Amino acid sequence: AQKVTQAQTEISVVEKEDVTLDCVYETRDTTYYLFWYKQPPSGELVFLIRRNSFDEQNEISGRYSWNFQKSTSSFNFTITASQVVDSAVYFCALSEVLFSGGYQKVTFGTGTKLQVIP
Amino acid sequence: NAGVTQTPKFRVLKTGQSMTLLCAQDMNHEYMYWYRQDPGMGLRLIHYSVGEGTTAKGEVPDGYNVSRLKKQNFLLGLESAAPSQTSVYFCASSYSSTGKGQPQHFGDGTRLSIL
Repeated sequence: AQKVTQAQTEISVVEKEDVTLDCVYETRDTTYYLFWYKQPPSGELVFLIRRNSFDEQNEISGRYSWNFQKSTSSFNFTITASQVVDSAVYFCALSEVLFSGGYQKVTFGTGTKLQVIP
Repeated sequence: NAGVTQTPKFRVLKTGQSMTLLCAQDMNHEYMYWYRQDPGMGLRLIHYSVGEGTTAKGEVPDGYNVSRLKKQNFLLGLESAAPSQTSVYFCASSYSSTGKGQPQHFGDGTRLSIL
């Protein structure tokens, strides 16, 4: 069975601080995809990044970076020099890799609410 | 580019009433999904569809029905609303399966309160 744990329910940081959101997952599969989504106060979920389990390279996009470590089953998300606009709920999600037609279950974590204080 | 559009955005129902939530996507996506989001529980899948004319049950399908008569639309129905169905409902779509790495695109959500 798949499981995604985001142990940090809420985090508050002061603007310009760096912050890391943790994501730990469990799966029996050797191949899978991991996703991060952002849910700002306006409510919609926005896709941020996708990572294939075969690709353990870290990724950086502007102030955002992701650290994927298969050995510890973690896919952590770091925001550098946080800004008020980063205030949102962030979800980590896991999907098995599809080798045939049909639906593959996506398991979401319970989310981490980040508040960036000006 | 509208993406995924949900209507209505807010609704209050009385116990026992019925209603339909509409989801429309303009991205020609094959897959569509209905989730509910409750505090501390993340997103839970209600029903999904892998193509026009097909639907299937997700994790929490009881009390809901769905239809996908047109590729771009995915309807979620509550036949007899119950207070336990008070939630925020999200529709999502994806080009193909998330198992092929396809991300889901979400609507803005519908806040539904059942009194």
